[in-house]
Amino acid sequence: DAGVIQSPRHEVTEMGQEVTLRCKPISGHNSLFWYRQTMMRGLELLIYFNNNVPIDDSGMPEDRFSAKMPNASFSTLKIQPSEPRDSAVYFCASSVGLAVYEQYFGPGTRLTVT
Amino acid sequence: AQSVTQLDSQVPVFEEAPVELRCNYSSSVSVYLFWYVQYPNQGLQLLLKYLSGSTLVESINGFEAEFNKSQTSFHLRKPSVHISDTAEYFCAVSEPGTYKYIFGTGTRLKVLA
Repeated sequence: DAGVIQSPRHEVTEMGQEVTLRCKPISGHNSLFWYRQTMMRGLELLIYFNNNVPIDDSGMPEDRFSAKMPNASFSTLKIQPSEPRDSAVYFCASSVGLAVYEQYFGPGTRLTVT
Repeated sequence: AQSVTQLDSQVPVFEEAPVELRCNYSSSVSVYLFWYVQYPNQGLQLLLKYLSGSTLVESINGFEAEFNKSQTSFHLRKPSVHISDTAEYFCAVSEPGTYKYIFGTGTRLKVLA
């Protein structure tokens, strides 16, 4: 079975450009999470979707960040405009239901903003 | 508010030696506890979890962790490590019925030949 799929795996962009990260959750999972991992702050939850609806976006750092989940098999995280401090590894994870028993993580997208 | 503390940022250990990675948490309610492992350039994978019942939980690759409520700890142990265990290990806590993990800052285990 395919796990959580993220693309691209690596993204290098210049400051001010728009960046779109993509995630395909595991089939049958109805909860999706976007995380950001940095050396300074560790793993931070950015936003959580349940049944394609954003439930908690309190972790989104600022208005430059937006996330969508148009259907059960696809989600995007967009940064516009990007800044060097956005450089991090962004993970998508999915799980079954609301309760946290186990989240399955994708391989991550390493974003570098120069 | 819940929090997780992993005091050791790096742990070097020789192959076939035992290892303990420490995790302490704080919470005013009962919690679920998890250990995740992250191999280089990969996502996190669940290693083991404590939800209820026996306080000693084991993984398929020889790791075990024990939930100690009085000490609010969930330390990860392995009696004999392999080179392939080199990775970063994250402890996490969640409140039953919620969707949020609180992750620790991670412990980088480096197994030396």
